[in-house]
Amino acid sequence: DQQVKQNSPSLSVQEGRISILNCDYTNSMFDYFLWYKKYPAEGPTFLISISSIKDKNEDGRFTVFLNKSAKHLSLHIVPSQPGDSAVYFCAAAMGVGNEKLTFGTGTRLTIIP
Amino acid sequence: GAVVSQHPSWVICKSGTSVKIECRSLDFQATTMFWYRQFPKQSLMLMATSNEGSKATYEQGVEKDKFLINHASLTLSTLTVTSAHPEDSSFYICSARKGIYNEQFFGPGTRLTVL
Repeated sequence: DQQVKQNSPSLSVQEGRISILNCDYTNSMFDYFLWYKKYPAEGPTFLISISSIKDKNEDGRFTVFLNKSAKHLSLHIVPSQPGDSAVYFCAAAMGVGNEKLTFGTGTRLTIIP
Repeated sequence: GAVVSQHPSWVICKSGTSVKIECRSLDFQATTMFWYRQFPKQSLMLMATSNEGSKATYEQGVEKDKFLINHASLTLSTLTVTSAHPEDSSFYICSARKGIYNEQFFGPGTRLTVL
């Protein structure tokens, strides 16, 4: 049972434009969400997170939006750069201090120069 | 910083042999480390949670006698795949938690190929 889903396995975006990566979850107990970026043959790198008490968190070019009623979150990258090409995973946890992360299946983002 | 290393980065072994993978937090102490595996084009699947000085907690469906985890110090956890078989071939990734929040710092992963 995939509790965290990323329905788009791949996404191509022109350099300079906005990249929007989506993530849906089914477990209403999740209340802390994270985005990770992963290059091939490397471990994931933490990007940004959001707690369920907020609906938006911004860090530089990265913004995460959370819609609790829809059980949906999205990661916006603007402007997109060639170095952003990677696989992006969203992850969810039950509680800020909870250790266990449940990962989505990932979206491969390709930035076209 | 928060750097996590893994060794080896890749290993090829014969079926039936055992393989040990090390995970180290280089610049912080990690009371909790995690072991994941990832199959091609799939998500990271948590295998077990490893706490320093105590037994690991395994996820449902993960054989604890096959995947031995030892967390001997605050900076080192090891995963031993015993009597490896071709179906154990995968990308194994460890992570370490720094502080009390969910953010985990991941190692670069180990590619295991069992012939």
